[in-house]
Amino acid sequence: GAVVSQHPSWVICKSGTSVKIECRSLDFQATTMFWYRQFPKQSLMLMATSNEGSKATYEQGVEKDKFLINHASLTLSTLTVTSAHPEDSSFYICSATPQGAQETQYFGPGTRLLVL
Amino acid sequence: AQSVSQHNHHVILSEAASLELGCNYSYGGTVNLFWYVQYPGQHLQLLLKYFSGDPLVKGIKGFEAEFIKSKFSFNLRKPSVQWSDTAEYFCAVNVFGNEKLTFGTGTRLTIIP
Repeated sequence: GAVVSQHPSWVICKSGTSVKIECRSLDFQATTMFWYRQFPKQSLMLMATSNEGSKATYEQGVEKDKFLINHASLTLSTLTVTSAHPEDSSFYICSATPQGAQETQYFGPGTRLLVL
Repeated sequence: AQSVSQHNHHVILSEAASLELGCNYSYGGTVNLFWYVQYPGQHLQLLLKYFSGDPLVKGIKGFEAEFIKSKFSFNLRKPSVQWSDTAEYFCAVNVFGNEKLTFGTGTRLTIIP
């Protein structure tokens, strides 16, 4: 149980284009989903907290107009990297917390983004 | 704000050796503590967690961790490692009542057959 999927698993795009990444909780409903960024050989940095039906809360230094987050349902959150640039290349990971067990996060497999 | 320190960046051990990975946090209030593992090419998986009660918690794959409140520590241990334990290990903490996790920088564990 508590499986989280992400799609796509990897994406290569041209500079200036937008990329959408989906995060789904497959076997549970998630009140809250989180989006992280992981640089090579570094830890996970929280980008934003996404609650179903409300605006996402962004961490300091994360541009909300660049990283658009939509949490349309209890099982789906999307992260859109708008006008992507090479410095946005990274590994993006989402996590979700089940309703009633919100202290524990379950992580998706991540999406590797390469912007050329 | 809370922070998490993992002082061992890369640990190399032979199979059957005992393992202890350090984790210290800084926060004055009640915290929940976690260890996650990331095997090569795979996603983060929960190894174990501590919320309250017995400070010695047992997780999957023979791992355990001990919460020592006076030392603000939550070290991960395994008495005898296997080659398949090669992975990146992350300690994380969240404040009681707040879901946001703060991660340590991770420890890369390499087990030599």
